[in-house]
Amino acid sequence: DIQMTQSPSSLSASVGDRVTITCRASQGISNYLAWFQQKPGKAPKSLIYAASSLQSGVPSKFSGSGSGTDFTLTISSLQPEDFATYYCQQYNSYPFTFGPGTKVGIK
Amino acid sequence: EVQLVESGGGLVKPGRSLRLSCTASGFTFGDYAMSWFRQAPGKGLEWLCFIRRKTYGGTTEYAASVKGRFTISRDDSKSIAYLQMNSLKTEDTAVYYCTRESPLQENWFDLWGQGTLVTVSS
Repeated sequence: DIQMTQSPSSLSASVGDRVTITCRASQGISNYLAWFQQKPGKAPKSLIYAASSLQSGVPSKFSGSGSGTDFTLTISSLQPEDFATYYCQQYNSYPFTFGPGTKVGIK
Repeated sequence: EVQLVESGGGLVKPGRSLRLSCTASGFTFGDYAMSWFRQAPGKGLEWLCFIRRKTYGGTTEYAASVKGRFTISRDDSKSIAYLQMNSLKTEDTAVYYCTRESPLQENWFDLWGQGTLVTVSS
């Protein structure tokens, strides 16, 4: 199975900050990488697919990059509604696997 | 409105069975592959299983943790996907999410239901 890791596991940031989350795959996954946002008690919300393509309706402050084994999610200017947990997920091969999540909190 | 609604969750004893349903609306269900994921309380997300559309044989894939115990199926005439869960264990306690494969990219699931809670406890 492909193992996904994320760093940091949590971070504290202020409104307006630029935030970057890193995701690493244990083997190459090309660009078959998605990012999800999840708020407490809610279903995950898809943000980015194919490592860098923005899901329809997702604001452009979210961006993704990377290929192979190393990927990043960037939030250009953090807003109150962005405080949540973010997960990366590989869908290059079965079983599809997720990173452990990065919790973005308020400083 | 395009949406997925899960139902069938609840409290069940270890060793028993439960069937979850995922009712789709707002799109042509038969044109899409479907998948189930879950999230144990306070834990991360886990992919469980996948069913292709009938034009691709309706074939299935499973995570090792549920293979042989869980079965995914679909009824395109009713726009429903099912997850039959047998021999349930306490570690199967989780919120179960139904998802739809995106038309933009294979194996990426862009539409999620709200989830249904399954609690396995004696």
